[in-house]
Amino acid sequence: DVKVTQSSRYLVKRTGEKVFLECVQDMDHENMFWYRQDPGLGLRLIYFSYDVKMKEKGDIPEGYSVSREKKERFSLILESASTNQTSMYLCASSSPGLAGNNEQFFGPGTRLTVL
Amino acid sequence: DQQVKQNSPSLSVQEGRISILNCDYTNSMFDYFLWYKKYPAEGPTFLISISSIKDKNEDGRFTVFLNKSAKHLSLHIVPSQPGDSAVYFCAASGIQGGSEKLVFGKGTKLTVNP
Repeated sequence: DVKVTQSSRYLVKRTGEKVFLECVQDMDHENMFWYRQDPGLGLRLIYFSYDVKMKEKGDIPEGYSVSREKKERFSLILESASTNQTSMYLCASSSPGLAGNNEQFFGPGTRLTVL
Repeated sequence: DQQVKQNSPSLSVQEGRISILNCDYTNSMFDYFLWYKKYPAEGPTFLISISSIKDKNEDGRFTVFLNKSAKHLSLHIVPSQPGDSAVYFCAASGIQGGSEKLVFGKGTKLTVNP
C-alpha cells in the first residue's frame, strides 16, 4: 500500500517560531509538493520539487522555504511563523508519466495553529 | 486568475438520487482532468480522471463527462450515498512551463442526506 506520511497531524506554535513540517513518501516518486488548504480557497501550491536538491516556487511561496536532501523526504519550513499561516498543510507526491494523468498522492495533512 | 473554477461551494442531495458536481476551466492546454474527494482532517484521495481525448469515463457509481468546446466537466454520482458526503476538488493537469503541476478548483462540499 503506497503511502505519504506527514510528521504531525496537529501542531500548535507561537508567532515567530521556526516550524518544520516533514513529509516522507515510500513510492520512489520524483515529484513532491506542499499545499495549504483554507476554507473557500481550495488547495494552493506553496512549493514543489522534481528531484533531490531541486525546488520551485508555487503560487504562494512567501514566508516559506523547503528542503529536499533525499528523494523520499520533502520538508516545509516556516522561518518565522505568523498567525496567517494557520492552516491545513498537505504534502503530495507523483511520478512523471505514471498513469499519464499526473495523479498526486496525498498525505493525511498537518493542521497547524499559530498563536 | 482562476484557471479551474467550481462555482458551487456546496450541494445537498437525497440518498439514492444523482449528485452532479461541475467544474469549468479556462486553459485549453490542460490535457487531463482529475477529481479528488476529501474528508475533514484527511488528505484528498483520487477518485477518477479523464483524458482530453475522451468525453466520458466511468468507474462504478462515478462518471466524469468532459465537454472540451465548453471547457466544462462534471462528476456524476449515482446513486448517492451518505458516505459520499465530502469536499470534491476538480483538478487539471498539463505541462505548464515544463512542470507537472495540478491546478485545483476551490472545491464543492457535497452533503448526501439519508
